[in-house]
Amino acid sequence: GESVGLHLPTLSVQEGDNSIINCAYSNSASDYFIWYKQESGKGPQFIIDIRSNMDKRQGQRVTVLLNKTVKHLSLQIAATQPGDSAVYFCAESLIYNAGNMLTFGGGTRLMVKP
Amino acid sequence: GAGVSQSPRYKVAKRGQDVALRCDPISGHVSLFWYQQALGQGPEFLTYFQNEAQLDKSGLPSDRFFAERPEGSVSTLKIQRTQQEDSAVYLCASVYGTSYNSPLHFGNGTRLTVT
Repeated sequence: GESVGLHLPTLSVQEGDNSIINCAYSNSASDYFIWYKQESGKGPQFIIDIRSNMDKRQGQRVTVLLNKTVKHLSLQIAATQPGDSAVYFCAESLIYNAGNMLTFGGGTRLMVKP
Repeated sequence: GAGVSQSPRYKVAKRGQDVALRCDPISGHVSLFWYQQALGQGPEFLTYFQNEAQLDKSGLPSDRFFAERPEGSVSTLKIQRTQQEDSAVYLCASVYGTSYNSPLHFGNGTRLTVT
């Protein structure tokens, strides 16, 4: 299939290692943040979200950390597997009365070496 | 149930042609969004519907772009007189409610190539 991102920053990790993907968001007023995974030829798939009143949230093998002071978001993937290879986007939600418009970051390609 | 469905999967248009891209959201989802994703970039917001009402179209790049959702379910994104810069993946997303604290569910997109 076609590549989602040909010129994206790339993180290459060994299978079984932990991965950390970082994101700097733009708007200090944003109060909801999401990580999406996008495989080639597919739409973004929800991984985990966090609200601004939290610093950390854990899911299955994934953890999201939020540092509002420096407007930084990170996604940690434990025991990275080949199936985790994809492009990862962070997204922030502007306070919006009538919807859930997301602003996406530029994405990071994760490559998992077997 | 089924996820967000988009058709066609791929569309090739000659410059100047009109195209129509279809989105079937998850049944019962009130909110529907269209995003444009250029190669190597994150998705960018185009427009938003709550039921049949188009509440935000601030992201539409020009008046050649038009979206509708007449019955509050299926939506169509129409691009008139396509230009090469319109080449991108067009993603549709839906969410059950109108709260901004719910993740969007995306379809797999329509890849538009304008030659």
